[in-house]
Amino acid sequence: EDQVTQSPEALRLQEGESSSLNCSYTVSGLRGLFWYRQDPGKGPEFLFTLYSAGEEKEKERLKATLTKKESFLHITAPKPEDSATYLCAVQAGTALIFGKGTTLSVSS
Amino acid sequence: NAGVTQTPKFQVLKTGQSMTLQCAQDMNHEYMSWYRQDPGMGLRLIHYSVGAGITDQGEVPNGYNVSRSTTEDFPLRLLSAAPSQTSVYFCASSFLWDRVGEQYFGPGTRLTVT
Repeated sequence: EDQVTQSPEALRLQEGESSSLNCSYTVSGLRGLFWYRQDPGKGPEFLFTLYSAGEEKEKERLKATLTKKESFLHITAPKPEDSATYLCAVQAGTALIFGKGTTLSVSS
Repeated sequence: NAGVTQTPKFQVLKTGQSMTLQCAQDMNHEYMSWYRQDPGMGLRLIHYSVGAGITDQGEVPNGYNVSRSTTEDFPLRLLSAAPSQTSVYFCASSFLWDRVGEQYFGPGTRLTVT
């Protein structure tokens, strides 16, 4: 069964304190792993696509990496505006399977 | 471009009532989808469409109907609302059906069924 598990459920950081979010997956034939950001009361916003193990993508303070079983979203020197829920998803056929997300809170 | 728009933003229904959640996109996207988001459950796919006239079921389709008569519109119908359908509903779209991972989401409709 295709499945996506994210950890931790919640993460509290001080401004400037770097950390990583984890997304582990099981899918028959990975066609892509995707990261989204969701702010409270809003729809998810697409961040990154990763297709193969070893691939990395960066955007400002965020860097996503992919192995054969999991993906990491590294946050370097986070700021309060990085506070959001980060969602991971994998493509299964013509559908996306989402994890439950990690809620990140960054305090100044 | 307005992107993906959804109406209404909030809705309260009584058990047994019917209603349609509206979704439209102005990006000429081929693929459109409906999700529901519940606390502790994450986003779950209800129905999706790979083009006008073509729809299919997702993970949680029971109690919902969809149709896709135009590229732009993808309404979601609740035939007889139940309290279990209390949720936040998101519509999303992507340019091609094989690029479903890169979807644009609407702002959501918060539905309460009493």
